[in-house]
Amino acid sequence: AQSVTQLDSHVSVSEGTPVLLRCNYSSSYSPSLFWYVQHPNKGLQLLLKYTSAATLVKGINGFEAEFKKSETSFHLTKPSAHMSDAAEYFCVVTHMNYGGSQGNLIFGKGTKLSVKP
Amino acid sequence: NAGVTQTPKFRILKIGQSMTLQCTQDMNHNYMYWYRQDPGMGLKLIYYSVGAGITDKGEVPNGYNVSRSTTEDFPLRLELAAPSQTSVYFCASSYSREGGNTIYFGEGSWLTVV
Repeated sequence: AQSVTQLDSHVSVSEGTPVLLRCNYSSSYSPSLFWYVQHPNKGLQLLLKYTSAATLVKGINGFEAEFKKSETSFHLTKPSAHMSDAAEYFCVVTHMNYGGSQGNLIFGKGTKLSVKP
Repeated sequence: NAGVTQTPKFRILKIGQSMTLQCTQDMNHNYMYWYRQDPGMGLKLIYYSVGAGITDKGEVPNGYNVSRSTTEDFPLRLELAAPSQTSVYFCASSYSREGGNTIYFGEGSWLTVV
């Protein structure tokens, strides 16, 4: 069975300081992992994805995440937060070559990022 | 570059009313999905479709119906609205079924049942 745990429901940082959003996953198979961002009253936008290639994945807007199999983690980081980064972030896991629907994404409960001036 | 388009964006329904959430995509994707998002939770899959004429249940299908008569369109029907269906609904699509394939989301439909 697959599951995703986002360790913080709310993270608050000051503008210009680093961002760390934590995600742990559980999967019986080789997982694909995603981070999506949702701004208020908007849909979900893909930030980055890991699909068994390079373990350090770079995404849009300066975000990156590192896949660590030994720790079953896929934490999202950014060196310097910007006010426009304030949003909700979702960690998502699914299988490569999953036998069922590819729509069987497993979502974490989300981490709300606040950025203070 | 429209992507996935959902309508309406906001709707208030009375208990027992019916409505259809419309979804269309212009990326020629085979796979389409409907999710619901409840406060403090991630997204839950309601129904999905792997191509025109083919649909299947997701994790939370009760109270909903779908159809897929064309590649582009995937409407979601609520037949007898209940307060438990108050939620944000997202339509999504993807090109193929590989686990690493990106899913593209619409901007959401906020539904309140009173």
